Amino acid sequence: GAGVSQSPSNKVTEKGKDVELRCDPISGHTALYWYRQSLGQGLEFLIYFQGNSAPDKSGLPSDRFSAERTGGSVSTLTIQRTQQEDSAVYLCASSLSTVSGNTIYFGEGSWLTVV
Amino acid sequence: DAKTTQPPSMDCAEGRAANLPCNHSTISGNEYVYWYRQIHSQGPQYIIHGLKNNETNEMASLIITEDRKSSTLILPHATLRDTAVYYCINSGSARQLTFGSGTQLTVLP
Repeated sequence: GAGVSQSPSNKVTEKGKDVELRCDPISGHTALYWYRQSLGQGLEFLIYFQGNSAPDKSGLPSDRFSAERTGGSVSTLTIQRTQQEDSAVYLCASSLSTVSGNTIYFGEGSWLTVV
Repeated sequence: DAKTTQPPSMDCAEGRAANLPCNHSTISGNEYVYWYRQIHSQGPQYIIHGLKNNETNEMASLIITEDRKSSTLILPHATLRDTAVYYCINSGSARQLTFGSGTQLTVLP
């Protein structure tokens, strides 16, 4: 596709349920990033992938959060046993690589509401 | 914490140039200056980036001072659709984008 595509665009889930958020990066982009943005807050880095590898998982808030990327393309962010504080916009981004100076393009985000 | 400083808000008349300043006094030699904007409820939109030379694209111009401690984003003819929060970021690698609180630009009719 022309841009970074994320699904679902909106998700309302009950506390304790698991959710999966999907990201389809720009074709040919080897680097993929997950951020989240809580209401009125700045962007919080979660994890990035170079190819299928995630060298830095330090941004994941807890062990309930995990992410994977297969085939160097689509990535899935999984949140297990969701809590109300997980409510946020989850943003995916991609770039040609992680080399300095590359442009990072963001998707429109997945709005998650935990009730 | 963010490494850049921006005014919290600015107004600009429609059709006029919007000049958005950013201080990044601790920028290191390999860090680029990136500008993004975010319209409410949408993902951040890339605008422009540069290392030390001034840059121009179809959206904006980026002026970086010679000492690289500050920069200015210029929207040459602001429209109402340019109303957004504008973020200035310096980053040494594509994964280290730290968004601060940005500048809320309001374009007035």
